[in-house]
Amino acid sequence: AQSVTQLDSQVPVFEEAPVELRCNYSSSVSVYLFWYVQYPNQGLQLLLKYLSGSTLVKSINGFEAEFNKSQTSFHLRKPSVHISDTAEYFCAVSLYNNNDMRFGAGTRLTVKP
Amino acid sequence: DTEVTQTPKHLVMGMTNKKSLKCEQHMGHRAMYWYKQKAKKPPELMFVYSYEKLSINESVPSRFSPECPNSSLLNLHLHALQPEDSALYLCASSHIADTLQPQHFGDGTRLSIL
Repeated sequence: AQSVTQLDSQVPVFEEAPVELRCNYSSSVSVYLFWYVQYPNQGLQLLLKYLSGSTLVKSINGFEAEFNKSQTSFHLRKPSVHISDTAEYFCAVSLYNNNDMRFGAGTRLTVKP
Repeated sequence: DTEVTQTPKHLVMGMTNKKSLKCEQHMGHRAMYWYKQKAKKPPELMFVYSYEKLSINESVPSRFSPECPNSSLLNLHLHALQPEDSALYLCASSHIADTLQPQHFGDGTRLSIL
């Protein structure tokens, strides 16, 4: 079965600093990869996804993630974070044609002024 | 605003009560999901419905009973719950059997068992 490892449980950064949230996955077959964000007292919102094609995917709010097959990674990056980016970020993996999505343990991003 | 609506937002119940959680979506999705999320943990899949039929059941205790009365509604019936069942229960939906389309989540029902 597929699985996801998020290496950092908490990442504190200062406003306008760059950030990288790490995600590694394991699977014996091709997978789809996702990043979801969860703000306090809310459900999960899709941030970006890798399905196929270009290995660099971008969101509308400045986040990007790069699929690296050789390193089985899908790290999330943002060159300059805002206070409003403070949230829990979950990396997730899903097999092709399978709606069974598995989430990583989550990374708490805290942006300080 | 989320396109998946969950009610109630908060629920407190005793271990002998019977209650139901409701989830509704009007996006034409034919797959719907229940997840359980404990504090500071990721969501854990409980049930998947595909075309109103249960397709995945992750060995959830029988005190949780899902029901999908139509393609827009998904209920979770609760009976004789335990304190460890206190959690955020998330509903999600997606296009059927097509993970090219992401899952859309509701804001959840925060359940507390006394």
